Parts: sequence; structure tokens; C-alpha cells
Amino acid sequence: EAGVAQSPRYKIIEKRQSVAFWCNPISGHATLYWYQQILGQGPKLLIQFQNNGVVDDSQLPKDRFSAERLKGVDSTLKIQPAKLEDSAVYLCASGQGSNQPQHFGDGTRLSIL
Amino acid sequence: SQKIEQNSEALNIQEGKTATLTCNYTNYSPAYLQWYRQDPGRGPVFLLLIRENEKEKRKERLKVTFDTTLKQSLFHITASQPADSATYLCARQASGGYNKLIFGAGTRLAVHP
Repeated sequence: EAGVAQSPRYKIIEKRQSVAFWCNPISGHATLYWYQQILGQGPKLLIQFQNNGVVDDSQLPKDRFSAERLKGVDSTLKIQPAKLEDSAVYLCASGQGSNQPQHFGDGTRLSIL
Repeated sequence: SQKIEQNSEALNIQEGKTATLTCNYTNYSPAYLQWYRQDPGRGPVFLLLIRENEKEKRKERLKVTFDTTLKQSLFHITASQPADSATYLCARQASGGYNKLIFGAGTRLAVHP
């Protein structure tokens, strides 16, 4: 089975610019997650979708971050405007439900200059 | 708050020995813990899930334990190989959300020939 696809793999922008990341989850997975992983830390959940709906966005900086999941499949995460502290790897994961493993993509490494 | 703590120091062991990694959690016992492996530049890969009512779980050379009294999980790799060198992440089920996970910072394991 194909894994979670993410693009781009790398992105370099200047602060105050905007950026978007794309994720295609494993086919049939209803749950989609976006994580932020800062160097030396574990992944931190930003937002979780169940089909089209948001079930948890408590740690999403909503003044600058937004995410959507189109038709319960692909998802995009946007940052506008970017700050220096947003430099991190943004990971997308998908899963089939509670007590189930999450399947991760290889992430987008974002560098803010 | 619900936290996961892993030894931030790297673990260096000799090939063929057993590696033991520790994960401590705070607050109430989670319904389950998950362990993931992460290689540099890659997303985490699921290894094992252990439920609160399970004391021990095994998969090939891997073994994980769950001690609700000590609030601790131990992850063992027997007959370690250089290919086992990676960062290992522990994650706890968190309240709220749906299959929401809180990750530790990970422990880097280096297996030397």
C-alpha cells in the first residue's frame, strides 16, 4: 500500500512570507494529523481531522496557521505570515481510528530566513 | 498536564547487547502507549502499541512493558544490530481528540559494531 505523501520536501522562505504544505494520506484512512517537529523534540500535534471535520486544533496558532481537508482526503496546511520560530519539520500522518498506529509521511522541512 | 519524558542522552551500546529505553509519563495512566522509530530525515515509523491492561508485548526482537505503578514503559531491543541505530519515540494516548497522541522527545540509540 502506498504511504503518506507530502510535498514539498524542503522549503526556504523569508519571515513574513506565506507557505503551504500538501498531504495525501493513505487511502481509506479517515483520520489525518498535522504535526510540527522542532529539532531535538518530539512531534507536536497541530490539528487533527476526522473525515472533513476538525476534532482537535487546540495547539494550532490560529492567527497564522490554517488547515483544510478537501473532501475528506487531501489536506493543506498554510502559514501566513511565517515567523522565525516556525522553522521545523511539518509531518502529516493518517490513521484508521482509536488504538491504531499512525502512519507518517517524511515531512516538509521549513527554514525561515 | 499529560507529559511524556524520555532520556535525552543518547544510548550507546555494543552490537549483540540488549538496548533498554525508558519512557515515563505523568498524571493518569493512558489507555495505551505507542513506540515509534525515526531515522534522520524521515517520518516516525510505528513499532508497537501496548494497552494499559497489558504488562508486556513482543514483536520479533522488540519487547515493551507497561508499569502503571511506576508510570513507566520500557522498550527493549535484544541482539541489537547497527541497523537498529535511530531515535525511538514514546507516545501516550491523550485525553480529548480522537486517537490523539503526545510524543516524548525521543532517545537516540547508537549500536556500535
